[in-house]
Amino acid sequence: DAGVIQSPRHEVTEMGQEVTLRCKPISGHNSLFWYRQTMMRGLELLIYFNNNVPIDDSGMPEDRFSAKMPNASFSTLKIQPSEPRDSAVYFCASSFLQTQYFGPGTRLLVL
Amino acid sequence: RKEVEQDPGPFNVPEGATVAFNCTYSNSASQSFFWYRQDCRKEPKLLMSVYSSGNEDGRFTAQLNRASQYISLLIRDSKLSDSATYLCVVNGGNPLNRDDKIIFGKGTRLHILP
Repeated sequence: DAGVIQSPRHEVTEMGQEVTLRCKPISGHNSLFWYRQTMMRGLELLIYFNNNVPIDDSGMPEDRFSAKMPNASFSTLKIQPSEPRDSAVYFCASSFLQTQYFGPGTRLLVL
Repeated sequence: RKEVEQDPGPFNVPEGATVAFNCTYSNSASQSFFWYRQDCRKEPKLLMSVYSSGNEDGRFTAQLNRASQYISLLIRDSKLSDSATYLCVVNGGNPLNRDDKIIFGKGTRLHILP
């Protein structure tokens, strides 16, 4: 089993650019979560999907952030336009019966 | 009161010692509890689930106190490799959703000293 796959692993971009993060959950897992982690704020839940349907997006910081899950094997988190304060590690996790398995994360740096 | 609260530490503990830390949660309806471990610059990984009767996995013991709404993690005979951040995790308490939102604490940093 490949585990949760995220891409890219690292992203450096300039303020104002669009950033797209990708996630492939573990096959058979019916929930998918997007998190953001910084030293100051810890691990923050941004949004989660259950059976491809967004259930709770209250953690999405603002309209610049959007997430989609078009099918059970793929999700994207998009930031447009990006800002320096968006710099963080973004984790995707999938779960089955409440045990979460995390991907390796995407380290985003917005200059 | 925060949903899930942990002492951020760091706990600096000599190798071989026993260390314990607690985590409090605010939602009395929460049903599932976990400890995750996160190494520096890595993703969080499940360490162990926490069962109502308490459970043990080798040197690690987890306990749940529903009355006081806290869970604990005890590490015996600590090793250098136990150095990590330990995250307390509690589910959102929605009995209708088996994959309910899961809430992470900010973690407790543990340093095992040689």
